[in-house]
This record gives sequence, structure tokens and C-alpha cells, in this order.
Amino acid sequence: EAGVVQSPRYKIIEKKQPVAFWCNPISGHNTLYWYLQNLGQGPELLIRYENEEAVDDSQLPKDRFSAERLKGVDSTLKIQPAELGDSAVYLCASSSDGPNTEAFFGQGTRLTVV
Amino acid sequence: GENVEQHPSTLSVQEGDSAVIKCTYSDSASNYFPWYKQELGKRPQLIIDIRSNVGEKKDQRIAVTLNKTAKHFSLHITETQPEDSAVYFCAAQIGNEKLTFGTGTRLTIIP
Repeated sequence: EAGVVQSPRYKIIEKKQPVAFWCNPISGHNTLYWYLQNLGQGPELLIRYENEEAVDDSQLPKDRFSAERLKGVDSTLKIQPAELGDSAVYLCASSSDGPNTEAFFGQGTRLTVV
Repeated sequence: GENVEQHPSTLSVQEGDSAVIKCTYSDSASNYFPWYKQELGKRPQLIIDIRSNVGEKKDQRIAVTLNKTAKHFSLHITETQPEDSAVYFCAAQIGNEKLTFGTGTRLTIIP
């Protein structure tokens, strides 16, 4: 079984440019998370999907960040425009239905804004 | 919302000794407590978890204890080995809501 797949692995962009990250969760996993991880810190939730519905986006900076999960499978996270402070690792995770189920993480996308 | 605190932030132990990492949580409704291990440049991976109806769980050299009254849980690694060196994160979850992570503990095993 393939794990959570993210692309790209690395991205370097200039500030004020747009950037997009893609995530393909484990097949059959209806719950999808986007987390942000700064260096030396724990992952922080940006948005959580149940199927195609964003059920928790309270920590998503909506002025510049957007996400979508069309058809309840793949998801895209976008930043426009990017700022220097957005440099971090963006992790996608997925889990199966029901409470207290293991969240499986992708390799992450390391974003550097210069 | 839930707040998870983790201590210590760094921990160095001699190979073969034990390591203990402690976490506290704020929301008494939390009922699931996983521990993730993250090696440098890699994804976080679940190593052990515990649910609120259990006080202790063990898997070979790794054990987790939970004190619901005090709202704290701990990770215990015995007979540490060099490959145990990594960053460890605790987390807490209510039902199927978000996982709230601690700030991590960088564990270094000294040969």
C-alpha cells in the first residue's frame, strides 16, 4: 500500500510569488490534514478535511492561504503571495474514518521563500 | 482549544540507559495520545499510542503511561540504542478532531 504522497519535496520561490503543494492521501482515508512545521517545532494544523468538506480551517491564514480537496481525494494547498515567514515544511497527513485512528504523514514539502 | 506541553526539549542519555519524555494536556476531553518519532529530514511516524481507557501500554522497549487525573502522559524508552536518536513528539486528540502536538524532544543517544 502506498503511503501519503506529497509533491514537490522542495520548493524555492521569491517572496510575493504564488506556490502550490499537492497531496495524495492513502486510498480510502477520508480525513486529510495539512500541517505546518517550523524548524525545531511540532506540526501545527492548518486545515482538516472530512471527505471534501473543510471541517476545521480556523488556523488557516485565509488572506493568503487556500486549500481544496475536490472529490474528497487529492488536496492542494496554495499560498499567494508567499512571504519570507512562510518558509517551513508543509506536511500532509491522512487517517481512516472514526475517532482515534492513526494519522499517516507524507514526506512533506520544504518551502524556502527568498 | 487543546494545549500540549512537552518536556524536556533536549535529552541526552548513554546507550543502554532509559529515556523518559513527559507531556501534559489541557482539555480533559482528550482521549487519544499518540507518540511520533521524526528522524532528520523524514516524516513523523507513529511509534506507540494510548487511549484514555488504558493507563499503560508497552511495546518491546517502548512504553507509554497515562494519568487522566493529572492530565499527563509519558514515553519511556528502555535499553536505548543509537537508532533511537530522533525528535519525538507527543500529541493529544479529542475524538476525530485535530491532533495537537507538543513542541518535540530531541533525543540523543551517546554511544
